[in-house]
Amino acid sequence: EAGVAQSPRYKIIEKRQSVAFWCNPISGHATLYWYQQILGQGPKLLIQFQNNGVVDDSQLPKDRFSAERLKGVDSTLKIQPAKLEDSAVYLCASSPGGWGEPQHFGDGTRLSIL
Amino acid sequence: RKEVEQDPGPFNVPEGATVAFNCTYSNSASQSFFWYRQDCRKEPKLLMSVYSSGNEDGRFTAQLNRASQYISLLIRDSKLSDSATYLCVVNMFSGGYNKLIFGAGTRLAVHP
Repeated sequence: EAGVAQSPRYKIIEKRQSVAFWCNPISGHATLYWYQQILGQGPKLLIQFQNNGVVDDSQLPKDRFSAERLKGVDSTLKIQPAKLEDSAVYLCASSPGGWGEPQHFGDGTRLSIL
Repeated sequence: RKEVEQDPGPFNVPEGATVAFNCTYSNSASQSFFWYRQDCRKEPKLLMSVYSSGNEDGRFTAQLNRASQYISLLIRDSKLSDSATYLCVVNMFSGGYNKLIFGAGTRLAVHP
């Protein structure tokens, strides 16, 4: 079974620039999550999709972050414009969506803002 | 108070030692629980689910105490390869979807 695929692995940009991340979940997984993980902290949920609908985006800074999941499969997360505090690892995870199902994570994208 | 709290460590232990981590959660409606392992600069990986009756997987034992709202992970006969950060995760299933909350993690360093 192929795992969660993310790209790029690394990205370095200057503040105020834009950046986009891509995620392809495990085939058949209904739920897709985007997390932000700052060094020394646990993953923080940014947005959660059930199929192609958003079920939780309460911690997404909507003035600069946006995400979509077209056709209920792949997803993109965008930051525009980036701030220094956005330097983090952005993790995508997926799960089948049933009760209590654990998540499977991609390798993540390490973002550095200069 | 954080929803999920863990001792950040680090726990520095010699090979062969037994080490235990605790995790407390604030929401009594939490329904399922997991331990994830995260190596440096890697993604979190599921270590084990935690069941009410307690469960064991080789050298690893997980326990859940719902009354006191804490979860524990016991590692016996520590190996160098056990060095990692251990993340406690609690889940609520509400409105037809899972909501998982991660702790900040406990660092374990096993030395020769």
